[in-house]
Amino acid sequence: DTAVSQTPKYLVTQMGNDKSIKCEQNLGHDTMYWYKQDSKKFLKIMFSYNNKELIINETVPNRFSPKSPDKAHLNLHINSLELGDSAVYFCASSHFGETQYFGPGTRLLVL
Amino acid sequence: AQSVTQLDSQVPVFEEAPVELRCNYSSSVSVYLFWYVQYPNQGLQLLLKYLSGSTLVKGINGFEAEFNKSQTSFHLRKPSVHISDTAEYFCAVSDGRLGGSYIPTFGRGTSLIVHP
Repeated sequence: DTAVSQTPKYLVTQMGNDKSIKCEQNLGHDTMYWYKQDSKKFLKIMFSYNNKELIINETVPNRFSPKSPDKAHLNLHINSLELGDSAVYFCASSHFGETQYFGPGTRLLVL
Repeated sequence: AQSVTQLDSQVPVFEEAPVELRCNYSSSVSVYLFWYVQYPNQGLQLLLKYLSGSTLVKGINGFEAEFNKSQTSFHLRKPSVHISDTAEYFCAVSDGRLGGSYIPTFGRGTSLIVHP
């Protein structure tokens, strides 16, 4: 069974569109995260959700909004996509700051 | 605030040679330390972690790391690398609690390139 899954795996879209990426974890973890990895492999944390509350929001544009319908899901919605949003987005989960379990990533390309 | 510095962006090495990937961190409180590996086109996976106890930590695939509190380092070592170890390696630290959860900080990554 996949511990942390993301859909879609690839996403190609035009500038200005709105898109969502879904994430689900079946590990029973209390905290889920979204990361952005750029072309130089730099990993930047975007959001973290603990018990359905947003507990960190780095300097990310408000075009990005995380939505957590329940403890096992943390979706990422992006409005008005820009060229600079092209990156790989990773979902992860953990139990109280211990090991992060990462999803396989969603490769977003904005044209 | 916490930070992580991976001193080498790229480390080339020959197969069966030893390797050390360096990681230094800064934090004002006790920390959890991690090394993750990312193979091409995959997500990150845990290699090893230090939470408490023995400062020498052994992980998967023959890797080990030593926590040195006085030098604030957590260097990763392997005595003999394989071609299959070619990947990106990330050091990470989590420090304190914010809103009831630990927030990790990742280093910029070290690309290990193993040559035959």
